[in-house]
Amino acid sequence: ETGVTQTPRHLVMGMTNKKSLKCEQHLGHNAMYWYKQSAKKPLELMFVYSLEERVENNSVPSRFSPECPNSSHLFLHLHTLQPEDSALYLCASSQVRRDNQPQHFGDGTRLSIL
Amino acid sequence: QKEVEQDPGPLSVPEGAIVSLNCTYSNSAFQYFMWYRQYSRKGPELLMYTYSSGNKEDGRFTAQVDKSSKYISLFIRDSQPSDSATYLCAMSADGGGFKTIFGAGTRLFVKA
Repeated sequence: ETGVTQTPRHLVMGMTNKKSLKCEQHLGHNAMYWYKQSAKKPLELMFVYSLEERVENNSVPSRFSPECPNSSHLFLHLHTLQPEDSALYLCASSQVRRDNQPQHFGDGTRLSIL
Repeated sequence: QKEVEQDPGPLSVPEGAIVSLNCTYSNSAFQYFMWYRQYSRKGPELLMYTYSSGNKEDGRFTAQVDKSSKYISLFIRDSQPSDSATYLCAMSADGGGFKTIFGAGTRLFVKA
C-alpha cells in the first residue's frame, strides 16, 4: 500500500449510531489531519496531530473525537451525529520541517447521516 | 472577505485549449502555494507546490504566483478530457502552524 489510505470509503449511519473512520499513511510523515469537505465549500480543518499530539482543534463539536495512536494511524470516532454532518471526510499527512511541506490526501470517507 | 477566493465555474473548454485557473487571496503572509486536482469520488492530489513569487513548470502545467497582486494561476496546455476535475488552490504562511487555507475549487470540463 502506498500514500494515504482511508476506510471505509462509504458510511451510512443513523443519528444514534457510533462508528469510526480510519486513516493510515505509508509516507513516513509525522503530522496527520482530518478535514471536512462539503459541496462547493473550502476544506474545513478539523484536527491536526503532530508527533502524535493534538495541536489543532478547530472548534469541532464533541460528537467528533479523534485518536492518533502512532504517527501512521489516525481515527475519527463518531457519535450522535446530525444530518448536517453528512460530507466527505478527508485524512491528510505531511512532513513537519522548517518549511511548510504540502499535505497529501486520502480518497476520503463519504458519510451520510440518516 | 474570504482569505482565498476561487471562481467555482464550471469552466468548459474544448480539447487542446489552454486553461487558466486563478485564485486571489488577502493575507500577504502567505508564502507557500499549492494546486491540487480532485477527481470525482477521489481525494485531492497535489499537482504543484511553489514558494514565494515566480513561475514553476511541470509538463503541461505551469503555476504562477504574483505576490504583489495577491494572485496565483495554474495554466494547463494542450488540455485533455482526462484533465476534467475540480482544481483547488491552497496556501500557507511561514509560522502559520499547520493551517493551509484552501479555495473552494474550480470545476473544469474538457470536451473531446
